[in-house]
Amino acid sequence: ELKVEQNPLFLSMQEGKNYTIYCNYSTTSDRLYWYRQDPGKSLESLFVLLSNGAVKQEGRLMASLDTKARLSTLHITAAVHDLSATYFCAVDRMDSSYKLIFGSGTRLLVRP
Amino acid sequence: SAVISQKPSRDICQRGTSLTIQCQVDSQVTMMFWYRQQPGQSLTLIATANQGSEATYESGFVIDKFPISRPNLTFSTLTVSNMSPEDSSIYLCSVEGQGQETQYFGPGTRLLVL
Repeated sequence: ELKVEQNPLFLSMQEGKNYTIYCNYSTTSDRLYWYRQDPGKSLESLFVLLSNGAVKQEGRLMASLDTKARLSTLHITAAVHDLSATYFCAVDRMDSSYKLIFGSGTRLLVRP
Repeated sequence: SAVISQKPSRDICQRGTSLTIQCQVDSQVTMMFWYRQQPGQSLTLIATANQGSEATYESGFVIDKFPISRPNLTFSTLTVSNMSPEDSSIYLCSVEGQGQETQYFGPGTRLLVL
């Protein structure tokens, strides 16, 4: 059974600091997704990572994928308050693409 | 990309009643998915809705409780039947991305059962 674990579950950081969110998954998967969710809102897609070694960057966020280690990271550079949100990683189940298994989410709070 | 709308956006319902949630996509898609997000929790897949066939339910979810329709390639409904307070959640529909695109999510339906 595919399981997805994120850590930390909660992250409080100061503006300007760097930090990394980790996403481990238990079995092989074709795709890894990162989403952002603001309170009371739906999911906003950040990245989809398709192959080993994939790295994608958008603004202060950079995601990477190591399929051999079954690990993805979401790195935050010089955090700003606007990045405060909950971040989810999700992976495709190998038995049927597009059925996503989500991590528990990381609630990020960026303090002034 | 796909633009997804859901109706209603939120509702407050009495226990024992049923609510039907609609999901509309602006393009034709093969698969549509329904997820549940309980308060403060992550997302869990309820079922997959394919046009022309019965929905496929995940472990812990049954058709009697969550009947789904998929009459065409742009529309689906999820009914939450005989509701109890434990059904209070956000219900989201999503669609597959094309090629290397991501999977898109609708805005969600926030349901509170009293």
